[in-house]
Amino acid sequence: LAKTTQPISMDSYEGQEVNITCSHNNIATNDYITWYQQFPSQGPRFIIQGYKTKVTNEVASLFIPADRKSSTLSLPRVSLSDTAVYYCLVGGDDMRFGAGTRLTVKP
Amino acid sequence: GAVVSQHPSWVICKSGTSVKIECRSLDFQATTMFWYRQFPKQSLMLMATSNEGSKATYEQGVEKDKFLINHASLTLSTLTVTSAHPEDSSFYICSAGDTMWTGELFFGEGSRLTVL
Repeated sequence: LAKTTQPISMDSYEGQEVNITCSHNNIATNDYITWYQQFPSQGPRFIIQGYKTKVTNEVASLFIPADRKSSTLSLPRVSLSDTAVYYCLVGGDDMRFGAGTRLTVKP
Repeated sequence: GAVVSQHPSWVICKSGTSVKIECRSLDFQATTMFWYRQFPKQSLMLMATSNEGSKATYEQGVEKDKFLINHASLTLSTLTVTSAHPEDSSFYICSAGDTMWTGELFFGEGSRLTVL
């Protein structure tokens, strides 16, 4: 069984900030948290990775509380092209995906 | 970022034939590769984990004699679907981690298999 839980779907509008939270209650001390984006009929694409606190890159931010039992992917000012499925993945050896979150961005 | 390439991107075959899908890491050495299959509107399902030079570790419920995985070099892993049947039609995706990886995976483009 996957070690993560995410909302199945989310809707947003262009220009809004979107926050997707992932629960990972059994995260191990050495586990990193990685988020991927997948478009239909394509392999997933790396978005961001973090271990604790906050990480920011050119496309997203990742917020991780001190207990590391959850994480939140923040997408600033989404556009229609951000419509995709987003997966959080936890760990170093166990690469099983959860159900992911299907984000739909509307005009 | 690192590049992983899959080939073919799509294949159609007759029932009973075998199909081989290649997964190559183009600019790094992949000590570990993962194979997934994905049905429409569903998440990726891990099929097996392979380490270079050793036998693959298959997930529960995945037939190792049907889905043959070979990871003979640090840049190439292959998945062979033997005696394919229509129910094997799916989107197959490989991913690889480099020798310094912290859990970040690099994914191939995927291979869509259709068995008639």
